[in-house]
Amino acid sequence: AQSVAQPEDQVNVAEGNPLTVKCTYSVSGNPYLFWYVQYPNRGLQFLLKYITGDNLVKGSYGFEAEFNKSQTSFHLKKPSALVSDSALYFCAVRATGFQKLVFGTGTRLLVSP
Amino acid sequence: DAGVIQSPRHEVTEMGQEVTLRCKPISGHNSLFWYRQTMMRGLELLIYFNNNVPIDDSGMPEDRFSAKMPNASFSTLKIQPSEPRDSAVYFCASREILPGTANTEAFFGQGTRLTVV
Repeated sequence: AQSVAQPEDQVNVAEGNPLTVKCTYSVSGNPYLFWYVQYPNRGLQFLLKYITGDNLVKGSYGFEAEFNKSQTSFHLKKPSALVSDSALYFCAVRATGFQKLVFGTGTRLLVSP
Repeated sequence: DAGVIQSPRHEVTEMGQEVTLRCKPISGHNSLFWYRQTMMRGLELLIYFNNNVPIDDSGMPEDRFSAKMPNASFSTLKIQPSEPRDSAVYFCASREILPGTANTEAFFGQGTRLTVV
């Protein structure tokens, strides 16, 4: 079975500082990994994905994520946070050959001015 | 493309009433998913369709829930009878599955916020 863990309910960071939102996964076989962001009263927006190849994936709005197979992690990062990055972030995994996308519980990112 | 379109955006109904949520996937997408989001349980996959055929409905909580996809451009999620514990935000998502690949991302609608009183 697939599962995703986002160990932090909330991450607080000051504007301009680097941010990291953690994600670990469990899946049989090779994983497809995704990050989505949800703003208040909105749907989920796709940020980036890891399918294969380079372990560092770059996505929308300056976000990037690093796939680490040995640690089964896919942490989301940004070098310099913006107040407008404040939102709910979801990590998700899909196993190769399957269509079911399983989400973590979400991490609320709060960027203070 | 306008993206995944869900209606209504908000629904308030009384316990026992039938509720129907609607979804129009992105044109050309051949896979459709219904998710439910609550504070307690997060995002749960209820059911998904491939080429209009239900593939996995193991996430549907009870027989009160049913979903249909009569054609490639329309799906419904029905709750009959509704109960207060069904109150949640229901999301529809669609994805294009290309032959030989499985790496496309899903696109989500804005969601329907259901309140059952």
